[in-house]
Amino acid sequence: EDQVTQSPEALRLQEGESSSLNCSYTVSGLRGLFWYRQDPGKGPEFLFTLYSAGEEKEKERLKATLTKKESFLHITAPKPEDSATYLCAVQARETSGSRLTFGEGTQLTVNP
Amino acid sequence: NAGVTQTPKFRVLKTGQSMTLLCAQDMNHEYMYWYRQDPGMGLRLIHYSVGEGTTAKGEVPDGYNVSRLKKQNFLLGLESAAPSQTSVYFCASSWEASGRAGWYEQYFGPGTRLTVT
Repeated sequence: EDQVTQSPEALRLQEGESSSLNCSYTVSGLRGLFWYRQDPGKGPEFLFTLYSAGEEKEKERLKATLTKKESFLHITAPKPEDSATYLCAVQARETSGSRLTFGEGTQLTVNP
Repeated sequence: NAGVTQTPKFRVLKTGQSMTLLCAQDMNHEYMYWYRQDPGMGLRLIHYSVGEGTTAKGEVPDGYNVSRLKKQNFLLGLESAAPSQTSVYFCASSWEASGRAGWYEQYFGPGTRLTVT
C-alpha cells in the first residue's frame, strides 16, 4: 500500500527565514511525486511534478527535490503570501487511473 | 477557460436526504476524480473515471455513487446522507496517462462544503 507522510504538521516562520518541508513516501514503483499548495477554503493548486531521484524543480521562492525515499520543498526567504498548506502526493507506476495518494499536508504560516 | 468547476459550493443536508454534486471541466481531460478532505486525514479518493461511461471505486467509496455520462461532467451522488459524510468534497481532472512527462498532474476544483445534520 502506498503511503505518504509529511512533516512537520505545522511550521511557523518569520518573513525571510528559509526552511524545508519533508515528504517521506513508500510506493511500489514511483511514476511521479507531486507538490500542491492549498489556501484556506480553496482547492489544491498544482506546483511541481518530480519523476526521478536527483530531480529538482524551482518556482519563485520554492524548490522541490526528490530522493528515492523522500522529497523536500525548500522555501527560500518566504513572504507572508507563501502561507498555505502544502500537500505532497505520489503516483505509483502500476496504479490504474493515474490515482494519487496524498499526505496530510504541512500548514505553513509566514509572519511579517 | 474555467478549468474545474463544482456546484454547489455549500450544502446542508439532514440525515437520510439525498443530493448530487456536479463537477465540470473544460480542459478535455479524460480522467476525473472525486475526493473528500477531512481534518487529520488528508485527501481520500472516493471514485474516479478514466473516460466517458466508466467509473471505478477509490479508497472510500461506500455511501457514494458516481456517473460520467459526458466526458466533461462527473457527478457524485449521496443516496442517504449520514453525519459521517460531513466533509469538503473536491473534484479533479487530468490527462490520460500517456508516458509523456507533465501529463499526469491533477487539477482541482474549488470544493463543496457539505454538512449533514
